[in-house]
Amino acid sequence: AQTVTQSQPEMSVQEAETVTLSCTYDTSENNYYLFWYKQPPSRQMILVIRQEAYKQQNATENRFSVNFQKAAKSFSLKISDSQLGDTAMYFCAFMKDEGAQKLVFGQGTRLTINP
Amino acid sequence: NAGVTQTPKFRVLKTGQSMTLLCAQDMNHEYMYWYRQDPGMGLRLIHYSVGEGTTAKGEVPDGYNVSRLKKQNFLLGLESAAPSQTSVYFCASSYAGGPNEQFFGPGTRLTVL
Repeated sequence: AQTVTQSQPEMSVQEAETVTLSCTYDTSENNYYLFWYKQPPSRQMILVIRQEAYKQQNATENRFSVNFQKAAKSFSLKISDSQLGDTAMYFCAFMKDEGAQKLVFGQGTRLTINP
Repeated sequence: NAGVTQTPKFRVLKTGQSMTLLCAQDMNHEYMYWYRQDPGMGLRLIHYSVGEGTTAKGEVPDGYNVSRLKKQNFLLGLESAAPSQTSVYFCASSYAGGPNEQFFGPGTRLTVL
């Protein structure tokens, strides 16, 4: 079974700073996908970024980028120029390359951006 | 498009009562999922469906049943609610042939007294 671990329950940074959220996972699969989801106070889950394990290039979406280290089974999220609207719970998630596309989530990191 | 909707948004039950949570999606997605979210544990998969008339167990299926009689709807039932089922429940849906983004509903906060 796959497991996803987020070792930082809470983080807090000042607006405009850069912050990195950590995620490690355990799997024996070679092909899989990794995701970061954001859950703001509204509770709505929003996809931030995704990474295919077969791609060596790290994914980037505007201010959000990942550092994917397949051998180390590490998948961290970097948020640059953080904004107040980035305040949310962030979940790392793993998906096997199989039909049902089930997600396995980490425990989450509560990120607070301070003005 | 409404996306993924969940009914109800909040509910309080007494131990032993039953209820059904309704999830509806208007994106013609083949796959649908039910998760529960508990503090410090992230989201855990309860049941899922890869098509109309099909369901399968996820990580934490005990105490729950599901049905998918129509492609757009996925129902989650609690036959005899227990305090351990106090949680926030999320429904999600996605296209088949992935990996595809799962789109989530707004959640249902359920309290079992």
